[in-house]
Amino acid sequence: DIVMTQSPDSLAVSLGERATINCKSSRNILHSSNSKNSLAWYQQRPGQPPKLLISWASTRESGVPDRFSGSGSGTDFTLTISSLQAEDVAVYYCQQYYWAPRTFGQGTKLEIK
Amino acid sequence: QVQLQESGPGLVKPAETLSLTCSVSGDSMRNYFWSWIRQPAGKSLEWIGRISSSGDSNYNPSLKSRVTMSVDTSKNQFSLRLTSVTAADTAVYYCARWDCRGGACNPEDPWGQGTLVTVSS
Repeated sequence: DIVMTQSPDSLAVSLGERATINCKSSRNILHSSNSKNSLAWYQQRPGQPPKLLISWASTRESGVPDRFSGSGSGTDFTLTISSLQAEDVAVYYCQQYYWAPRTFGQGTKLEIK
Repeated sequence: QVQLQESGPGLVKPAETLSLTCSVSGDSMRNYFWSWIRQPAGKSLEWIGRISSSGDSNYNPSLKSRVTMSVDTSKNQFSLRLTSVTAADTAVYYCARWDCRGGACNPEDPWGQGTLVTVSS
C-alpha cells in the first residue's frame, strides 16, 4: 500500500497567520492520463465527516475559501492556509487516490495559538 | 444535491457480521463508484473498498477476506458486510461517492454523516 505521511502531527497558529501542512507519498501519484497528481486534502471538524477541500493537489473545490491552497508534485505536497480563521480549527488529512487501496495520511490537528 | 445516509446496527457482537446500508438520494447511482471508509475514534481514515454501480468491487487487501459489498440501484442503496468482527472493527463507518472522467478518477465527495459501530458482547 502507498503510505502517506503528514507533518507535523499537530500545529498551533495565531489567527491571521499562515498555516502549512505537508504530506509525503511513498510512491509517485502523478496520473499519466491528465498529468495531474492524484492527491486530495480533506478537513474534518469534530463530529463531522471529512470535507473535500482540494483535489488534484491544487484544485480548490467549489465554495472553499481562497485562503486554502494546495501545491506540490510527485511525492511531496503542501496545504497552505494563508490567513488562519477560527473556523479552520480541524484535523486535516491528505489522501492519494491513484493507487488501490486509496490511503490517507495520519492527520494534522490544527489549533489556534 | 446528492446526499448519502448510512444505517445499520450500532452494536455488533464479536465474531458476528457487521451489516450497513448507504442510502443515496438526490441523484442516480449510475456511472459512479461507491466507497466505504472507516475511522476508529481518534484515529485516521481507512479505505475499506468500493463498488461500482454495475456491481464491480475492489476491496482493501487488509480486509478482503472478510468484506463483501453489494449495490441495488433500483433502491438507490449499496451495502457493506464485514464478517468475524472484533473490537478492532469498532469505528465510525462512512459511505462516499466518486467518479472517473476521461480515465482519471476523482476523490470521494460527498460523504455520508457516518454511523458508529461498536463491537462488544
